[in-house]
Amino acid sequence: EVQLVQSGAEVKKPGESLKISCKGSGYSFSIYWIAWVRQMPGKGLEWIGIIYPGDSDTRYSPSFQGQVTISADKSITTAYLQWSSLKASDTAMYYCARLKGNIENYPLDYWGQGTLLTVSS
Amino acid sequence: DIQMTQSPSTLSASVGDRVTITCRASQSITSWLAWYQQKPGKAPKLLIYDASSLQSGVPSRFSGSGSGTEFTLTISSLQPDDFATYYCQQYNSNWYTFGQGTKLEIK
Repeated sequence: EVQLVQSGAEVKKPGESLKISCKGSGYSFSIYWIAWVRQMPGKGLEWIGIIYPGDSDTRYSPSFQGQVTISADKSITTAYLQWSSLKASDTAMYYCARLKGNIENYPLDYWGQGTLLTVSS
Repeated sequence: DIQMTQSPSTLSASVGDRVTITCRASQSITSWLAWYQQKPGKAPKLLIYDASSLQSGVPSRFSGSGSGTEFTLTISSLQPDDFATYYCQQYNSNWYTFGQGTKLEIK
């Protein structure tokens, strides 16, 4: 069974750093792109970027380029989303999801449960 | 960027109704379009991909159509479990933008 299990909810202060995780299982992790999606409170879905765990090829939405870093460790089938200096506006639910195929032009067929990030002083 | 615009933003309907949601792309995305359903507090769920292909396990009352810049999601006979928010998403370009969502409410 394909599963993506994300790390737990976080409460952080502005300026702090953070790395959240997404562990894949039940499939060949290295050959499927993983995406990260943001959902701010009461709002819609926003595409952050994608990573190919096999070679760590990464693509970012222009809106998030330079604001976050996506990485992956295929040896432990885990993808990451990290911030170096959090802002209150980073408060949101963050989802990881798997692309349905092993090239880029595919939808998202399996999703993690989400990681709720709250940034507040 | 390719912009995705859904209409309506909110839709009120009753159990048994046939409903249609529209999604327009700012430029052609051929058939690289998906539809997702999201319920409160849950992750989105893939319903339709490649504009008209039904994801495994999704009831056949859901269907999708369209190509180029205009797409529709149709639910043929609404069931109580279908009241949720629906998003379209294009995966034609390097960053895969979503529509703003359509909230389907009980009339």
